[in-house]
Amino acid sequence: QLVLTQSPSASASLGASVKLTCTLSSGHSNYAIAWHQQQPEKGPRYLMRLNSDGSHSKGDGIPDRFSGSSSGAERYLTISSLQSEDEADYYCQTWGTGFHWVFGGGTKLTVL
Amino acid sequence: QITLKESGPALVRPTQTLTLTCTFSGFSLSTSGVGVGWIRQPPGKALECLALIYWGDDKRYSPSLKTRLTITKDTSKNQVVLTMTNMDPVDTATYYCAHTMTGDSPRYWGQGTLVTVSS
Repeated sequence: QLVLTQSPSASASLGASVKLTCTLSSGHSNYAIAWHQQQPEKGPRYLMRLNSDGSHSKGDGIPDRFSGSSSGAERYLTISSLQSEDEADYYCQTWGTGFHWVFGGGTKLTVL
Repeated sequence: QITLKESGPALVRPTQTLTLTCTFSGFSLSTSGVGVGWIRQPPGKALECLALIYWGDDKRYSPSLKTRLTITKDTSKNQVVLTMTNMDPVDTATYYCAHTMTGDSPRYWGQGTLVTVSS
């Protein structure tokens, strides 16, 4: 069964970097994913598509501070030079059978 | 500029049918490759894909909810309608619609509409 696993929470200091992880379930390690950001009380925003080889393509207007990488079944979102507005929930998403979307449980990022 | 906006009832009684409308601008559902999807988020919980519809009327449904869902489009009105039957309190959530392309992610999201199921 296709499952995306994310840590429920993460924290990092203002101006620092943070690396969030999304893990694909067994047998799906070659899947591409996408990252979405959801700031408090707002709708989600598409950040990027991230392929299994680590190549990624970002959405419109997404700052260079956001980058993606991959290793095996893990997909990472790195945010550098953290700003207060980066405090948000981050969801990874992939494609299930029939190409409907499957989401991870989300990681709540706190900027200290 | 692509925008989407969800509309529908804020309160639904258990067993009733929910009808939500997504009204969009900046793209056409008659353009090859274009699609609109519905996603929901229960309070404090994760996102869940419900259904997608594409320009050629290809429809995709969540396997766990497909018996309760119907998605349709009205290209002339730039609208996509989602109906969900037999509503239950566990269906209380914010419902989002989003623009996509074939094989792509939800790229542009609406602001969402909160639907509460309660007697």
